[in-house]
Amino acid sequence: DVKVTQSSRYLVKRTGEKVFLECVQDMDHENMFWYRQDPGLGLRLIYFSYDVKMKEKGDIPEGYSVSREKKERFSLILESASTNQTSMYLCASSTDALIAENTGELFFGEGSRLTVL
Amino acid sequence: KQEVTQIPAALSVPEGENLVLNCSFTDSAIYNLQWFRQDPGKGLTSLLLIQSSQREQTSGRLNASLDKSSGRSTLYIAASQPGDSATYLCAVNTGGSYIPTFGRGTSLIVHP
Repeated sequence: DVKVTQSSRYLVKRTGEKVFLECVQDMDHENMFWYRQDPGLGLRLIYFSYDVKMKEKGDIPEGYSVSREKKERFSLILESASTNQTSMYLCASSTDALIAENTGELFFGEGSRLTVL
Repeated sequence: KQEVTQIPAALSVPEGENLVLNCSFTDSAIYNLQWFRQDPGKGLTSLLLIQSSQREQTSGRLNASLDKSSGRSTLYIAASQPGDSATYLCAVNTGGSYIPTFGRGTSLIVHP
């Protein structure tokens, strides 16, 4: 089974702290995604990566950065956490569906609930 | 730009009913559609993936159909159980884009 593992299920941080959220997938997927999910707002894409060292901004990249140094790992970084970044963060991965033999099925991790005080 | 709508937004039914959840999309040039389940405070669990060349997929009591020409997919849940209570989301991958478009989900409660 495909597994997407997020390093922390629950984090509590102080305003201004630097926060790292780690995500690892074990199925050699090309694509990895970071979303945040808030009540009434649905899933919003923060950043996307389609290959090592490649990244693209999603809908709400402000206040976030990402790193993909290895294919299996995609990290989300909050350089200076703020209270409005309190949220559920979800990592996902998939094969490249633009390649014919791939399904493009998307798999999610369990989520990281971040509280910024 | 692809838009995905899920109706209804919320549904409460007694145990045992057969259910239909709807997902509609505006751009029919999709290469797949995926249904997910999300329990409170958890990540999304993949239920069914339908490729653009397929009409339906089945897994246990779940059946998902796809009609690209009308821009619709339905998730059919047979003989609903309290354990089916969750939010169900659909996501569409559209040609030329790596990034899936999600609906807002249908929140389902099945009461005993």
